[in-house]
Amino acid sequence: ILNVEQSPQSLHVQEGDSTNFTCSFPSSNFYALHWYRWETAKSPEALFVMTLNGDEKKKGRISATLNTKEGYSYLYIKGSQPEDSATYLCAFYGDSWGKLQFGAGTQVVVTP
Amino acid sequence: KAGVTQTPRYLIKTRGQQVTLSCSPISGHRSVSWYQQTPGQGLQFLFEYFSETQRNKGNFPGRFSGRQFSNSRSEMNVSTLELGDSALYLCASRLTGGIGELFFGEGSRLTVL
Repeated sequence: ILNVEQSPQSLHVQEGDSTNFTCSFPSSNFYALHWYRWETAKSPEALFVMTLNGDEKKKGRISATLNTKEGYSYLYIKGSQPEDSATYLCAFYGDSWGKLQFGAGTQVVVTP
Repeated sequence: KAGVTQTPRYLIKTRGQQVTLSCSPISGHRSVSWYQQTPGQGLQFLFEYFSETQRNKGNFPGRFSGRQFSNSRSEMNVSTLELGDSALYLCASRLTGGIGELFFGEGSRLTVL
């Protein structure tokens, strides 16, 4: 049972377009939310670690926001490029030491 | 700086056998955690070790076990393999415990026939 939900499951984006997708998580016992990018045949790589309500993080064209009170985070990709094609995972730290709960991911395909 | 190394990368076993997977964390990292990924499922937490002690365990049967050595290298073992154990097993390390980001290996893909 996944307490962490990501939507949509997949999306196709034209190169140059911007896009965003959602991660929903339990609003109680919040410790941190992680975002990871997982490219095919590679290891998942951390994008952001978010801990505070209202947090906004940015790395290049990718940014994320966090609302711990309502239990959601958005990831934004501005001006998508083919190299942004990957599965984006969010992961939630609740009340257990070390037990990171992952969502099923949003698969992003950017076409030229 | 070397990343997280997992061995073997691919393996095929038959039902009833057992398997041991190995993970070498980034130098200096003391925490190692293990995750299972099966089709349609998110990464499922197996367990985390810190300083040779298991700190937390996911909802997996007792056939899944692990350990961590004094050099922080970790192994996980699955006994009496079942077809449903076919999965990608990912290891991740981090400097300490807590809520910090994970550094993942490329995984060990296990196929059970």
